[in-house]
Amino acid sequence: KAGVTQTPRYLIKTRGQQVTLSCSPISGHRSVSWYQQTPGQGLQFLFEYFSETQRNKGNFPGRFSGRQFSNSRSEMNVSTLELGDSALYLCASSIGRAQETQYFGPGTRLLVL
Amino acid sequence: QKEVEQNSGPLSVPEGAIASLNCTYSDRGSQSFFWYRQYSGKSPELIMFIYSNGDKEDGRFTAQLNKASQYVSLLIRDSQPSDSATYLCAVIRAGGGNKLTFGTGTQLKVEL
Repeated sequence: KAGVTQTPRYLIKTRGQQVTLSCSPISGHRSVSWYQQTPGQGLQFLFEYFSETQRNKGNFPGRFSGRQFSNSRSEMNVSTLELGDSALYLCASSIGRAQETQYFGPGTRLLVL
Repeated sequence: QKEVEQNSGPLSVPEGAIASLNCTYSDRGSQSFFWYRQYSGKSPELIMFIYSNGDKEDGRFTAQLNKASQYVSLLIRDSQPSDSATYLCAVIRAGGGNKLTFGTGTQLKVEL
């Protein structure tokens, strides 16, 4: 089975711009979670989608949003980018039940200048 | 107090030795426990998960869970230089769906 894929892998943006990241889960997986990883804060949960509905949300401002499509692919959007949004954004997929193992994609490295 | 705590390391062990990585968590409602390995510049890779008190073995890896002490550990036997990485402990709380809460990770160095 192919793993989790994320596009793009690298992105450079300037402050104030917006960005959309994409994640395709493992075939058959219906849950997609997003995480932000920075050297200072480590790995932090952004949100989880299951069956096109947000099932869980972390403590991030409303500038961070996401959605999931009927084929389980997910996108996350960050509007009005700030320098502190520079991070590795990771997507993880699981079959769909709670408390499950999750498998991470390669990540999108975002640099905000 | 952080929800999940790990020593940042680095933890240095000689090749062939047992590496012991520890993790404590604060929420007694935590139900699922995971160990991920992350190489520099790469994404986390699942090593093991454990749900019940006791030991769980998979090859050279053993996860140990003690819910009374709110403690989970990972033992790596016959450590190899390729095991050098950051090891992340993560938990999911009851009612937390699939929300993983991570520790900051322990850097392991296996020396020749």
